[in-house]
Amino acid sequence: AQSVTQLDSQVPVFEEAPVELRCNYSSSVSVYLFWYVQYPNQGLQLLLKYLSGSTLVESINGFEAEFNKSQTSFHLRKPSVHISDTAEYFCALDTGRRALTFGSGTRLQVQP
Amino acid sequence: DAGVIQSPRHEVTEMGQEVTLRCKPISGHDYLFWYRQTMMRGLELLIYFNNNVPIDDSGMPEDRFSAKMPNASFSTLKIQPSEPRDSAVYFCASSLGGGLKTEAFFGQGTRLTVV
Repeated sequence: AQSVTQLDSQVPVFEEAPVELRCNYSSSVSVYLFWYVQYPNQGLQLLLKYLSGSTLVESINGFEAEFNKSQTSFHLRKPSVHISDTAEYFCALDTGRRALTFGSGTRLQVQP
Repeated sequence: DAGVIQSPRHEVTEMGQEVTLRCKPISGHDYLFWYRQTMMRGLELLIYFNNNVPIDDSGMPEDRFSAKMPNASFSTLKIQPSEPRDSAVYFCASSLGGGLKTEAFFGQGTRLTVV
């Protein structure tokens, strides 16, 4: 069985500060990793994904995540956050069966 | 395309009543997923379909839950009878097969409250 762990349920940060949202996974087979974002009262939207190739992946709005196989991690980072980044962020994995296993989510609260 | 459409957006029902949640996937997508989101358990996969056929329903909590996909453009998730512990946000998502390079698109969810 596979699992995803997001240790931080909430991360408060000031605007323009850097942030890291942690994600660790467990799986006995190869995985594909995703970060989804959920804004209030909305569904989830794909932020970025790692399928293969370069271990560093980026989103169009400045987030990046690095796949680290030895540490079984896929942490999400942004060097400078905006108020509009306030949302809940979910790390997820797929072992190839086409269905996602999600972590418990991290609520990012950006304060002015 | 309008995206994945779920209805209703909000549902309040009394314990013991039947509840039906509806989902219209994005046209052309061949995978459809039902997820449940609660504070206690986070996002859980309930069931998913490929080409209208249920592939994995191991996440369905118990026999009170059932899901159907009569055609490529419509799916339902039914709870009968409903219980207060079924209160959650239910998400439907769809994706296009052919590999993992495509993403799952989520609807806005149905917030179910069972009183």
